[in-house]
Amino acid sequence: TQLLEQSPQFLSIQEGENLTVYCNSSSVFSSLQWYRQEPGEGPVLLVTVVTGGEVKKLKRLTFQFGDARKDSSLHITAAQPGDTGLYLCAGVLNYQLIWGAGTKLIIKP
Amino acid sequence: NAGVTQTPKFQVLKTGQSMTLQCAQDMNHEYMSWYRQDPGMGLRLIHYSVGAGITDQGEVPNGYNVSRSTTEDFPLRLLSAAPSQTSVYFCASSQPPAYTGDQETQYFGPGTRLLVL
Repeated sequence: TQLLEQSPQFLSIQEGENLTVYCNSSSVFSSLQWYRQEPGEGPVLLVTVVTGGEVKKLKRLTFQFGDARKDSSLHITAAQPGDTGLYLCAGVLNYQLIWGAGTKLIIKP
Repeated sequence: NAGVTQTPKFQVLKTGQSMTLQCAQDMNHEYMSWYRQDPGMGLRLIHYSVGAGITDQGEVPNGYNVSRSTTEDFPLRLLSAAPSQTSVYFCASSQPPAYTGDQETQYFGPGTRLLVL
């Protein structure tokens, strides 16, 4: 059983559309990280959220940490083909990183 | 800085063969980790090290050995390869405290794709 559930597993949308990726758990995390991974490369950190209810923005990407620190979301506004990739969330629990299975995102031009 | 480097990029083994996956970092990071990534399962921690001479097991350590004789290098050894070890392997490094949520980042290598026949 995955401790950190990501949804959807796969998403293919047209350029310009908005989307949201979710990361859910029954565990309380001390912080949560979002990574993006492109084919043939390792994951690259996008953001870390620490405080319950925290919202961070990275250009067209908005990250939110749930009030109870059990869940997080990534919202992309006006998606572009360059946003294509595998998005991974990872929660910090007892000094260990717990990884979600990832959301594969394809943005079609 | 080259960051985290991994060799080889791709390897094919026969069942029962042994090999070492190399990982090196030039950022003077204390923490280093090995993960495997399989479709639909995310990243799973194999072994990690919090400093030279110190290693510990992760979630899926069976069939793998590690050592950390220097800060820079953290090789992963497959003792007797099995088809279940077919995967993409990533090495990562970070500075302590790696997991306190204060913007500390894990830096990943480009991965080694391993196929065991």
